[in-house]
Amino acid sequence: SQTIHQWPATLVQPVGSPLSLECTVEGTSNPNLYWYRQAAGRGLQLLFYSVGIGQISSEVPQNLSASRPQDRQFILSSKKLLLSDSGFYLCAWSVMAGMSSPLHFGNGTRLTVT
Amino acid sequence: QKEVEQNSGPLSVPEGAIASLNCTYSDRVSQSFFWYRQYSGKSPELIMSIYSNGDKEDGRFTAQLNKASQYVSLLIRDSQPSDSATYLCAVFSGNTGKLIFGQGTTLQVKP
Repeated sequence: SQTIHQWPATLVQPVGSPLSLECTVEGTSNPNLYWYRQAAGRGLQLLFYSVGIGQISSEVPQNLSASRPQDRQFILSSKKLLLSDSGFYLCAWSVMAGMSSPLHFGNGTRLTVT
Repeated sequence: QKEVEQNSGPLSVPEGAIASLNCTYSDRVSQSFFWYRQYSGKSPELIMSIYSNGDKEDGRFTAQLNKASQYVSLLIRDSQPSDSATYLCAVFSGNTGKLIFGQGTTLQVKP
């Protein structure tokens, strides 16, 4: 069966510090991978998605970036965090091209920027 | 008009009752519809998928889709306190090729 691992679970970082969140998927090949952010009390915001190695689509202009160095690895980064980057970051995967199949989420990383 | 709309709630039902959660969407060419459950502080968990008009049942959950009315709902029979969570409706838009999430409805099941 497929599993998705996301770490760390919680993170407290000062403003201006760098960020690296990692996500890996097991049990499937060529997954579509996604990064979402959920601000407190708000809905899910799609940040990036990837349909293959090195292929990244950005949905929202921001100081975040994403990379997919391996088929089942997705990394979310920032060079300098802002207070507004605080939130619950969720990695997700799906099996089909496009988004017509359901997404399966990792456990999330709760980021607090102080 | 939001692409996917849900009443934020909270929707409060007594234990054992039927909880009815509703979702409307704006894109007429939407193809796939999903319900997720999100407990406080946790990530969303897929509980139902529905792709064609009508009802789809899975245990205590029934998803209902009416494409003509652009409406999808989730019924939870014999509601339990453990069902207390936020329920997210997600709609795949054929126009944009994206999965759009609603803001979620908070359900409270009181013992």
